[in-house]
Amino acid sequence: QVQLVESGGGLVKPGGSLRLSCAASGFTFSDYYMSWIRQAPGKGLEWVSYISSSGSTIYYADSVKGRFTISRDNAKNSLYLQMNSLRAEDTAVYYCARDSGPPECSGGSCYFDYWGQGTLVTVSS
Amino acid sequence: DIVMTQSPDSLAVSLGERATINCKSSQSVLYSSNNKNYLAWYQQKPGQPPKLLIYWASTRESGVPDRFSGSGSGTDFTLTISSLQAEDVAVYYCQQYYSTPLFGPGTKVDIK
Repeated sequence: QVQLVESGGGLVKPGGSLRLSCAASGFTFSDYYMSWIRQAPGKGLEWVSYISSSGSTIYYADSVKGRFTISRDNAKNSLYLQMNSLRAEDTAVYYCARDSGPPECSGGSCYFDYWGQGTLVTVSS
Repeated sequence: DIVMTQSPDSLAVSLGERATINCKSSQSVLYSSNNKNYLAWYQQKPGQPPKLLIYWASTRESGVPDRFSGSGSGTDFTLTISSLQAEDVAVYYCQQYYSTPLFGPGTKVDIK
């Protein structure tokens, strides 16, 4: 069965850095787009970034552009999110999600059919 | 940029009654080349990640009970729970994937 397990969250000071990981299993990881989506405490869902199956296409939300970097290692079935220059407003549960992507959605990112349990990132002094 | 809105913000429905949630996009999410609406619905229960319910506006994900249905086209969409069950208490989100993904603000469903 499909499993996505995030790790790497924690408490970090404003301006600090953190690297999140997502270990995937139960499907051919290299066939799928992947996304990071976050949810601030008590708030709604905010898409953060997606990466194509090969890693050649990447998009970011404006709120994280220039600070966050998404990457993947298909040999290790792993997705990553490097977060730099963290701000209080980055405090959230971060989910990795499998993106149905092409060919379902010819343009790129699509709907998210599997989600991890999430990892909490708290940015506070 | 596309803006997603949902209404109502919350609703309380008696067990066995119908619940209707609306989602509106500021631009059409109907892709003319394939005549598909790039709109999905998710359910999120407290302390859990979201769960995909509906995609392409009206296609039910495998394993989702048939009391959940999606309808609409272009800019206006509806998620209907035909007979509310206790386990349906959750927040429901719509999401467009016509452009970079964007979620609606959510609608909380409770039991009356």
